[in-house]
Amino acid sequence: NAGVTQTPKFQVLKTGQSMTLQCAQDMNHEYMSWYRQDPGMGLRLIHYSVGAGITDQGEVPNGYNVSRSTTEDFPLRLLSAAPSQTSVYFCASSYSTGSSGNTIYFGEGSWLTVV
Amino acid sequence: AQSVTQLDSQVPVFEEAPVELRCNYSSSVSVYLFWYVQYPNQGLQLLLKYLSGSTLVESINGFEAEFNKSQTSFHLRKPSVHISDTAEYFCAVSEGGSQGNLIFGKGTKLSVKP
Repeated sequence: NAGVTQTPKFQVLKTGQSMTLQCAQDMNHEYMSWYRQDPGMGLRLIHYSVGAGITDQGEVPNGYNVSRSTTEDFPLRLLSAAPSQTSVYFCASSYSTGSSGNTIYFGEGSWLTVV
Repeated sequence: AQSVTQLDSQVPVFEEAPVELRCNYSSSVSVYLFWYVQYPNQGLQLLLKYLSGSTLVESINGFEAEFNKSQTSFHLRKPSVHISDTAEYFCAVSEGGSQGNLIFGKGTKLSVKP
C-alpha cells in the first residue's frame, strides 16, 4: 500500500514554463486536495476534489489548474510558472467527503523552485 | 470564516521537560480539530484529532490535547519531551458539514535540546 505518491520530488522551472505535479493514491479515496506550504504561512489549500469529475477552488487557486479524470489521480498544473509559486506542494487524500472528521493523508511533498 | 492561530512560531525546550504548544481557533459552527506533525523534509502525519466525546485526546507517543469549547482552544501537551520530538507541529480545523478541507495554523517549530 503506497498511500499518497507525488512526483517529482524536486523540480526547478524557469519563469513562464509550465509543468504538472503528479499525485496518485491507491486507497480508493474520494477526496483529494493540493496544498502549498510556505515558511511562516502554514499550509494553504489550492484546489480540491470530492470525486472523479468534480473539482473546486481552495484559498489560493490562481495560476494552478486541476482535473480529476480517475479516482486515483489528481494532477496539479502550473500554467505559466512565476517565482511566487516557489513552494513545497503537498497532495492529500481522505476516504470520503461529507464526514469532516476523516483523517487526511499527505504525500511526502514536491519542492518546486521557479527562477 | 474559520481561522486557526498558533501563538508561538518557535518553542525551544530541554529534553525531558514538559511542553505546551498553543492553538486557538475561530468558527461559528461545530468543528473537528487536528494536530499534525512534520519532521524535516517529510510530509505531514496525523498526531491526534478531536471529533466528539471526551475532550481529552491522546496520541500513541505521549502527546495529548484538550478541546476547550469556551476558550476555543486545542492546546497540545507532552509531560516529557525527547530529542526525537523535534519537528514542526500544525494545528488544523475542519468545520462540521463541510467538504472536509483543513484550515491550518502557521505552525510551531519545537526544538528539543539535550
